[in-house]
Amino acid sequence: EDQVTQSPEALRLQEGESSSLNCSYTVSGLRGLFWYRQDPGKGPEFLFTLYSAGEEKEKERLKATLTKKESFLHITAPKPEDSATYLCAVRSLNNDMRFGAGTRLTVKP
Amino acid sequence: NAGVTQTPKFRVLKTGQSMTLLCAQDMNHEYMYWYRQDPGMGLRLIHYSVGEGTTAKGEVPDGYNVSRLKKQNFLLGLESAAPSQTSVYFCASRLLSRETQYFGPGTRLLVL
Repeated sequence: EDQVTQSPEALRLQEGESSSLNCSYTVSGLRGLFWYRQDPGKGPEFLFTLYSAGEEKEKERLKATLTKKESFLHITAPKPEDSATYLCAVRSLNNDMRFGAGTRLTVKP
Repeated sequence: NAGVTQTPKFRVLKTGQSMTLLCAQDMNHEYMYWYRQDPGMGLRLIHYSVGEGTTAKGEVPDGYNVSRLKKQNFLLGLESAAPSQTSVYFCASRLLSRETQYFGPGTRLLVL
């Protein structure tokens, strides 16, 4: 069965302290891996789609990378407004979509 | 362009009551989805639709029904609500030709 595991569950950083969030997955053929940001009381907001190992995508302070077994979301010099829950999801070749439980990021000023 | 909208935003039900959640999208997306989100768990797929008049079961379909009579609307029904259906419900949609799903703001449901 397809599985997605995100770590850590929660991460507290000081403003400017760079770090990475991990998304490990097992899937019967990968169609795509997705990163979303979710603010409290809101729906998930799309960030990135990665399709194949070695692919990287960037947006402002965020950079997503993909290997055959995991993806990382690197946050460089985070700001308090980056505080949110970050969700990872994978879609398999049979079109099943699985979400991880998320990493709750808090950035203190 | 409102994207994906959901109504209502919040609802309280008593056990055994019924209700319908409405999802609407104005992006001409073919695919539409209903998920539930519970604390400590990832989003779980309830039902989905690949086009007008078609629906299919997801990971956790029991206790729910859906209908897609118009391309832009996807309805989620609870015939006899149970406390286990207390959750936050999200609708999402995407184009047939793209992998990325876009989500609505969510409906918070409390079943007493």
